[in-house]
Amino acid sequence: ELKVEQNPLFLSMQEGKNYTIYCNYSTTSDRLYWYRQDPGKSLESLFVLLSNGAVKQEGRLMASLDTKARLSTLHITAAVHDLSATYFCAVEVMNRDDKIIFGKGTRLHILP
Amino acid sequence: NAGVTQTPKFQVLKTGQSMTLQCAQDMNHEYMSWYRQDPGMGLRLIHYSVGAGITDQGEVPNGYNVSRSTTEDFPLRLLSAAPSQTSVYFCASSPRISTSGGFSDTQYFGPGTRLTVL
Repeated sequence: ELKVEQNPLFLSMQEGKNYTIYCNYSTTSDRLYWYRQDPGKSLESLFVLLSNGAVKQEGRLMASLDTKARLSTLHITAAVHDLSATYFCAVEVMNRDDKIIFGKGTRLHILP
Repeated sequence: NAGVTQTPKFQVLKTGQSMTLQCAQDMNHEYMSWYRQDPGMGLRLIHYSVGAGITDQGEVPNGYNVSRSTTEDFPLRLLSAAPSQTSVYFCASSPRISTSGGFSDTQYFGPGTRLTVL
């Protein structure tokens, strides 16, 4: 059964700093997704990573995937307050199950 | 396109009552899914469907039924509501690219239904 672990679960950081959120998963997969959720809102897609070594960047966010290590990272560069949100990674279960399993989320609070 | 729509937005039930959460999408997506979100638990997959007439169980299916009679609609039924089913429910859809499994696109989420069971 696929397990998806994110860490940290909560992160408070200063504006202008860099930090990384980690997403580990327990079984083989080469498809991973990152989402953002603002309080009281739905989920918004950030990145789709479809192969080993995939790297995607959008503004101050960069996501990467290492399928051999079963690890994805979401790196935040020079954080700004608007990036405060909860970030989720989700991993697709292979072997034709078609399930997509989420981590518990990382609640990011960026202090001005 | 309206995207993924969910009704109702809020619902309060008494223990033992039944109800149906509605989900519809107008993007002709084959794949649809239901998740519940509870504090500290992330999103947990309840049921999903890879196309009309096909459904399967997710991580937490007990107490819920689904059906997929059309591509557009994927209702979630609570058979006998329990306080443990108090949660926010999200429906999502995605285009499914290959029959051998695998997605090349993200899931698109609806706005959610906040359900309270007393």
